[in-house]
Amino acid sequence: RKEVEQDPGPFNVPEGATVAFNCTYSNSASQSFFWYRQDCRKEPKLLMSVYSSGNEDGRFTAQLNRASQYISLLIRDSKLSDSATYLCVVSPGGGATNKLIFGTGTLLAVQP
Amino acid sequence: EAGVAQSPRYKIIEKRQSVAFWCNPISGHATLYWYQQILGQGPKLLIQFQNNGVVDDSQLPKDRFSAERLKGVDSTLKIQPAKLEDSAVYLCASSLPIGTGPYEQYFGPGTRLTVT
Repeated sequence: RKEVEQDPGPFNVPEGATVAFNCTYSNSASQSFFWYRQDCRKEPKLLMSVYSSGNEDGRFTAQLNRASQYISLLIRDSKLSDSATYLCVVSPGGGATNKLIFGTGTLLAVQP
Repeated sequence: EAGVAQSPRYKIIEKRQSVAFWCNPISGHATLYWYQQILGQGPKLLIQFQNNGVVDDSQLPKDRFSAERLKGVDSTLKIQPAKLEDSAVYLCASSLPIGTGPYEQYFGPGTRLTVT
């Protein structure tokens, strides 16, 4: 079983649509959770951290369910500029390392 | 603020040849990471440095890959000899020292390696 599993995609949605990505992780001791965004042939960039209480940043909402080991990302009112690969990322934490474990990513294509 | 710098951006070599990649992290970032990203996959950590010491190299194929960060700033990653399956993008990232939080890692543009 992969450490971080994501919906394979691709997701093709029209502008203005709401789209949700899901992710599960296998290590119950994981401490930190993130969504990174990666544009085609570019480096990954942090989109947002994910907290147990849920957090929102504009049109983006992230949720964490530790009991189910499940992470989600919701994008409302999709824009053409949201087209990218969204990477679910988990860190085991523990103080001795800042290692990030990436999922394979979900490709989003927003259509005009 | 300058970001993470990497060179070269692209490299094509034949199998069994050697290759080296260079990374200069963001100023003040004590922690440096090398990731390998194969097409269609997420990045995979190869090695992590804190200053000039290795924190984690558990996924580094040590029979052919080596990395160093002698003065705690720049780093080089070497592959010798290269195999076809080493074709990937090699990403360097840096962050503030472990323990300071919030642990955001900043990535460089990567080196795209093709082994023929």
